[in-house]
Amino acid sequence: DQQVKQNSPSLSVQEGRISILNCDYTNSMFDYFLWYKKYPAEGPTFLISISSIKDKNEDGRFTVFLNKSAKHLSLHIVPSQPGDSAVYFCAASRSSNTGKLIFGQGTTLQVKP
Amino acid sequence: DSGVTQTPKHLITATGQRVTLRCSPRSGDLSVYWYQQSLDQGLQFLIHYYNGEERAKGNILERFSAQQFPDLHSELNLSSLELGDSALYFCASSTRGQVNEKLFFGSGTQLSVL
Repeated sequence: DQQVKQNSPSLSVQEGRISILNCDYTNSMFDYFLWYKKYPAEGPTFLISISSIKDKNEDGRFTVFLNKSAKHLSLHIVPSQPGDSAVYFCAASRSSNTGKLIFGQGTTLQVKP
Repeated sequence: DSGVTQTPKHLITATGQRVTLRCSPRSGDLSVYWYQQSLDQGLQFLIHYYNGEERAKGNILERFSAQQFPDLHSELNLSSLELGDSALYFCASSTRGQVNEKLFFGSGTQLSVL
């Protein structure tokens, strides 16, 4: 039962353009969402998060949007840079499950110079 | 560098064997988590420890067990290994194990069962 899904295994964009990574979830009890970035041979690193009481959170070039009615979140990277090339995981959790994150399968982003 | 140390980085073993993966959390972090990433899969939550006590369990097989020691390092024991246990095992830590805390991940242990 995949509660968090990233339906696009890969995405390729040109440097300077916008990258949009999508994530869907099925469990309406999730109330906290995160994005992690992973480079080869490294562990995932935290990128940005959003609480279910918000619909948008911004941090520099990264913005996460949450659409609770559609159970959908997206990560926008503007402008995209070659160093952003990595695997991006979305994750979700419930306040009652301290620290337990449910991850999607990941989307590999390639930003071409 | 996340500050989380996992050893060994690579482990090759045979079916039926038992292995131990080790994790040292960031200095000051009381919570340790174990995740498994199989091929083409997302990270699957295995288990969470806080200050030596088990806090939550995910889809962890009965053949797997973990513990967190008084010095806060953690070990994940995998026994009666099967081919399907081949995966990347990540350890992560956080300060208090609260839902809105960032998890800091180690670089993982790549387990290959032959």
